[in-house]
Amino acid sequence: DVKVTQSSRYLVKRTGEKVFLECVQDMDHENMFWYRQDPGLGLRLIYFSYDVKMKEKGDIPEGYSVSREKKERFSLILESASTNQTSMYLCASKSGNYEQYFGPGTRLTVT
Amino acid sequence: SQKIEQNSEALNIQEGKTATLTCNYTNYSPAYLQWYRQDPGRGPVFLLLIRENEKEKRKERLKVTFDTTLKQSLFHITASQPADSATYLCALDISGGYNKLIFGAGTRLAVHP
Repeated sequence: DVKVTQSSRYLVKRTGEKVFLECVQDMDHENMFWYRQDPGLGLRLIYFSYDVKMKEKGDIPEGYSVSREKKERFSLILESASTNQTSMYLCASKSGNYEQYFGPGTRLTVT
Repeated sequence: SQKIEQNSEALNIQEGKTATLTCNYTNYSPAYLQWYRQDPGRGPVFLLLIRENEKEKRKERLKVTFDTTLKQSLFHITASQPADSATYLCALDISGGYNKLIFGAGTRLAVHP
């Protein structure tokens, strides 16, 4: 079974802090994604990566950056956290098949 | 503007009945449409994919239809069980199977014994 893990289930940070969210997949998938999920808005794509060191902006990249130094690991970085970045963050991966495999999510609260 | 709409109100049904969830979209031409299930506090789990040239797809008690003229997909769960209670998300693949899925906000289904 594909396994996607995220570094934290719950995280509380202060405004202005730099925040790292990490995601690891164990199935050698080329593609990895970061979404945020807010009530009534569904999942929105922040960034995705189709190969090591490659990244593409999604629909809402502002205030975020990403890093993919190894195939299995994709990190989301909030350079200076703000309260409007309080959300559920979901990582996903996929290979040549079409379905995406999601991690359990990180619920981030910025105070 | 481009939009995906799923019923925002929860769907409550009796055990054993068929649940039907709707996904409508505007201004997209998706090559594929996917349905995911999400339980509280968890990530979505893939259920079914249907291509633009397929009218219907089945998997066990699940059935999905895809009408590109109406720009609508219907998701059916037959003989529903309390364990089917979850939020169901539809997602459009507008990149031909590559990387871009656009998700609806989901519909919460509650199946009562």
